[in-house]
Amino acid sequence: QQQVKQSPQSLIVQKGGISIINCAYENTAFDYFPWYQQFPGKGPALLIAIRPDVSEKKEGRFTISFNKSAKQFSLHIMDSQPGDSATYFCAATTQGGSEKLVFGKGTKLTVNP
Amino acid sequence: NAGVMQNPRHLVRRRGQEARLRCSPMKGHSHVYWYRQLPEEGLKFMVYLQKENIIDESGMPKERFSAEFPKEGPSILRIQQVVRGDSAAYFCASSPQASGGRGQFFGPGTRLTVL
Repeated sequence: QQQVKQSPQSLIVQKGGISIINCAYENTAFDYFPWYQQFPGKGPALLIAIRPDVSEKKEGRFTISFNKSAKQFSLHIMDSQPGDSATYFCAATTQGGSEKLVFGKGTKLTVNP
Repeated sequence: NAGVMQNPRHLVRRRGQEARLRCSPMKGHSHVYWYRQLPEEGLKFMVYLQKENIIDESGMPKERFSAEFPKEGPSILRIQQVVRGDSAAYFCASSPQASGGRGQFFGPGTRLTVL
C-alpha cells in the first residue's frame, strides 16, 4: 500500500521555466511534509518542508503548496536551472513515535540549458 | 564537521553470503534510521534505533535482516544469506532526537549488488 503518491515520474523543463511536482497522501495523521533532493550517487538532502497548518512555504526559488482538504501538496521550482537536475522525493511523517519517513517514488527532473 | 558516514559505499556479494553495512552518525546524534531504495523506487523505512535499543523495526523483513546500534561504534545492518532481491541502495540517516525528517541527515548510501 503506497501511502504517498508522487507524479510525474519524470519531468523535463527548459532553463528558466517552472518545475511542478505533485504528491498526494492518504494518512490524515501525517503532520510534516518534507521534500528531498537527491543527486546520482548521493544520499537525499532535505530541501524544504511544511506543516499542515500553513498553505504555502517559500524558500528562495522553492515553494511548497499544501491543500489539507485534498490531502495534496506540491513543490514548485521557479526559474529552474540545470543544476536543479536531480531526483526529488516528497515524504510524510507523523510527530511522535519513531517519526519514520514515508517517501513517494520520486521525480527525475531534467532542466535543459 | 563530518556528516553521516556509511561504508562500504559499494558491496558485492554472492547469493548465500552475508552483507554487513555500517553507519556512523553525525557527531552528537544518537538516533539512527535505515532505509532501503530499490531501483526506480522511493526510500522505504526499515528500522529506527537509538543507542543499544531497537525502537521501531516495522519495516524490517522478518528473516535474514538484523540491525544494531551499540553503545560504542557504528550502527550495523546485517543481511544474512543474501538473495538477488536484496540488491538495492541502503541509506542511513541520523538525528539528535526523533525528528521526523526535521533533523534527519542522510549518508551517501551503500549500494549492495548480489550476484
